[in-house]
Amino acid sequence: AQSVSQHNHHVILSEAASLELGCNYSYGGTVNLFWYVQYPGQHLQLLLKYFSGDPLVKGIKGFEAEFIKSKFSFNLRKPSVQWSDTAEYFCFRRRQLTFGSGTQLTVLP
Amino acid sequence: KAGVTQTPRYLIKTRGQQVTLSCSPISGHRSVSWYQQTPGQGLQFLFEYFSETQRNKGNFPGRFSGRQFSNSRSEMNVSTLELGDSALYLCASSSESIRLAGSDTQYFGPGTRLTVL
Repeated sequence: AQSVSQHNHHVILSEAASLELGCNYSYGGTVNLFWYVQYPGQHLQLLLKYFSGDPLVKGIKGFEAEFIKSKFSFNLRKPSVQWSDTAEYFCFRRRQLTFGSGTQLTVLP
Repeated sequence: KAGVTQTPRYLIKTRGQQVTLSCSPISGHRSVSWYQQTPGQGLQFLFEYFSETQRNKGNFPGRFSGRQFSNSRSEMNVSTLELGDSALYLCASSSESIRLAGSDTQYFGPGTRLTVL
């Protein structure tokens, strides 16, 4: 089955540290990839998306992601995290309607 | 534009009962999807509707059903509730057309928190 994998289940960083969250997708089918964020007590919000074209996509709040076809990856990055980035992050494969298992990010002040 | 709205926000039911959850998509959106979110299983796809037709269905038992109305509003129903059905049920809408199925952004509502006792 076509799937999405997030291998980092819980990441703890200090403020100003750089962030990279992994997302891998399985081979086959249309590749439309998204990153969503779920802040505590809030609904899922779109961070960024990739359909085609430039493999480096920029999203809101300073997040970006790079689509690397040869590695089947779509990793989320941010150069300097803030305490307010504490949330759960989900990778999503749109055509297959499949979410990764999520990564809980905790940023220590 | 108003976002996706879901009612009720919280529900408490007992085993064996049935429940109906409602979702109103963003104005103009014709596609509605439902997901179940639990700590153990994460986010799992339930159904997808487009113009009143179920386009995709996830791997859930027949106790889970849904429908979409002509105004794009959607409901999902769970019959004979089990303890394991306790979850946050999320609805998402998108503005895609049939031609571009699966290619547009899904916008999520706040969810309905269902607790089964």
